[in-house]
Amino acid sequence: DADVTQTPRNRITKTGKRIMLECSQTKGHDRMYWYRQDPGLGLRLIYYSFDVKDINKGEISDGYSVSRQAQAKFSLSLESAIPNQTALYFCATSGPGQGTGYTFGSGTRLTVV
Amino acid sequence: DQQVKQNSPSLSVQEGRISILNCDYTNSMFDYFLWYKKYPAEGPTFLISISSIKDKNEDGRFTVFLNKSAKHLSLHIVPSQPGDSAVYFCAAASGGSNYKLTFGKGTLLTVNP
Repeated sequence: DADVTQTPRNRITKTGKRIMLECSQTKGHDRMYWYRQDPGLGLRLIYYSFDVKDINKGEISDGYSVSRQAQAKFSLSLESAIPNQTALYFCATSGPGQGTGYTFGSGTRLTVV
Repeated sequence: DQQVKQNSPSLSVQEGRISILNCDYTNSMFDYFLWYKKYPAEGPTFLISISSIKDKNEDGRFTVFLNKSAKHLSLHIVPSQPGDSAVYFCAAASGGSNYKLTFGKGTLLTVNP
C-alpha cells in the first residue's frame, strides 16, 4: 500500500457541485498538507494541519475547506466547484524535523465543467 | 510575490552530460532547501536537500549547491540519464519542525539518448 493514498484519482464534476477529495496516510505523521498544481504555476498550498486539532489556511484557500478526521485522514472540499478549480491536487504528509520534507500522494486530477 | 523562483521552464541535455537546474529565493528566513522530482501521473518525490549551514550536499549523481549570499541554489546531475527526464521542483522551508514548503514553478528536464 502507498504511504499516502488519494481518492479519487480522477474526477469530472459540474460547476456548482460540492466535491470532496480524500487523503489517508500510513506514515503515522501529524502534519498533513493539500497543494494544487497548475501548469506554469508549480505547487501552491491550499491548507495545512500540524496535528488533529490544528487547521491553517495556505496561500490559496478561498473556495476550499478541509476536515482533519483523524491523524491519518485529511480531506479537502470544494463547496461549490468552479472551472478555475480544475487542477491536479496533491496531499502530503511530513514527519518531525525537516529531513526529507514531504511524502506526497499520487494526486487527484479534478476537472470542473 | 514569488518567494522561490525557477526561471527556466525547461532544459534539454544529452545523455551522459551534466544537467544544471537553478533556483533563486527571496525570503532570507528560509533555512532548508529541497529538490523534488515529478514524473507524469505521479506525486513529487524527494530527491536531495541541503541545510543553510552547508554549501554543498552530494548523493550519488546528484549534488545541490547553496550560495546564501546570492540566495541561489542549483542541482547538478552527472551523468544525466534518460530516466532523469522529469519535472524538478525546488522547495524552501523555514520554521523548524512545523514548517511548510514553498515551491518553485518547476523545470522540465529532458535527457536525450
